[in-house]
Formats: sequence, C-alpha cells, structure tokens
Amino acid sequence: KAGVTQTPRYLIKTRGQQVTLSCSPISGHRSVSWYQQTPGQGLQFLFEYFSETQRNKGNFPGRFSGRQFSNSRSEMNVSTLELGDSALYLCASTDDTGELFFGEGSRLTVL
Amino acid sequence: AQKITQTQPGMFVQEKEAVTLDCTYDTSDPSYGLFWYKQPSSGEMIFLIYQGSYDQQNATEGRYSLNFQKARKSANLVISASQLGDSAMYFCAANQFYFGTGTSLTVIP
Repeated sequence: KAGVTQTPRYLIKTRGQQVTLSCSPISGHRSVSWYQQTPGQGLQFLFEYFSETQRNKGNFPGRFSGRQFSNSRSEMNVSTLELGDSALYLCASTDDTGELFFGEGSRLTVL
Repeated sequence: AQKITQTQPGMFVQEKEAVTLDCTYDTSDPSYGLFWYKQPSSGEMIFLIYQGSYDQQNATEGRYSLNFQKARKSANLVISASQLGDSAMYFCAANQFYFGTGTSLTVIP
C-alpha cells in the first residue's frame, strides 16, 4: 500500500499570500487530520475530516481551513499568511484502529 | 478540552540502558486512548504503542512498554535496552489528535 502523500514538500510564500496544501491518504482510510509542527510547540491539531465532513477542530483561527473530497484526498488552505505560520504541516490518515499514519509533511516558510 | 504535558524537553540515556519518558494528560472524556509516536531526524512520524483507558494491562510492543497510571493521569513510555537508533523526538498523544510538545531522546554510545 502506498503511504500518505503530501504535496508540495517545500514552499516559500510572502506575508499576505495564501497557500493550499494537499494530502492523499492511504487507500481505504476515510479520516484525514492536519497538524502544525513548530519547534517547542509540538504538533498542534488543526482539524480532522471524515467522509468529506469536518468532524473535529482544533483552536486555530478561521484563516486555516480545509476540505475533503469524495476520494478522501484532503486540502488545507491558509489565507493571509503571517510570519508565524512558518511551520511543518503534517497530514495523517487513519483507519478504524485509531493509529495515525503520517505523511512526510509540507514545510512552509513565510517571508 | 485535552491537554498533554511532556515535561522533559531533552533526555540522555546510555546505550543498552532503559529510559522512561514522562507524559501526563488531562481529558474529560470517560473513555480515551493514549498513543506514543517517534519522530527521527528524518522527520517521519512512527507509531509506537497504544493504551486504551479501560485496558486492564499496560501495553507492550517489543522494547516499548507503557506505564499507565490512570489515577495519576500519566502514561509514561519505557524503552528498554536503548539503541542508538532510538535517538529521536518522542510524542505522547491522547484521543488521536492531541499531542504533547515532545521529548528529545539522545542515546549515548
């Protein structure tokens, strides 16, 4: 089985721009969750999608949004980028066991 | 609300020794799951071990065991016989999505 695939792996944006990140889960996994990882902050939960519906949400501002398509692929969007949004964004998919399978992440740098 | 606390930013252990990584959690859910993940310097997150809140026995997976003390709300990871490849960041998580800030483990030859 192919693993979780995230694109792009690296990107550089400037303040005020927006960005869209993509995540393709493991085949058969219907749950996709997103995390922001920064040094010292660990992984902070953004949101989880299951069968195209947002099922859980963390404490991030509305600039962070996501969606899930019928094939379980998910996208995350950040609008009006700020310097503090620079981070590694991780996506994970899961089956019924609850174990998270992570992608390699998208490293976003905001200048 | 879910809060996961890992109070050890960095730990060192001698090769072949055992090490305990601390994790405390705070959740109001009557039933919950606790997870540990490893993140080597290469960046990928690797699942290590799971403990359900109603599991009667502490979880074990090879050299990993989870010291679960429900009354203390702690779920410490014990790694026995440390190996150089165990050097990594270790994250505790509750209810799948809520992670601590991690502990950096360095194994010394």
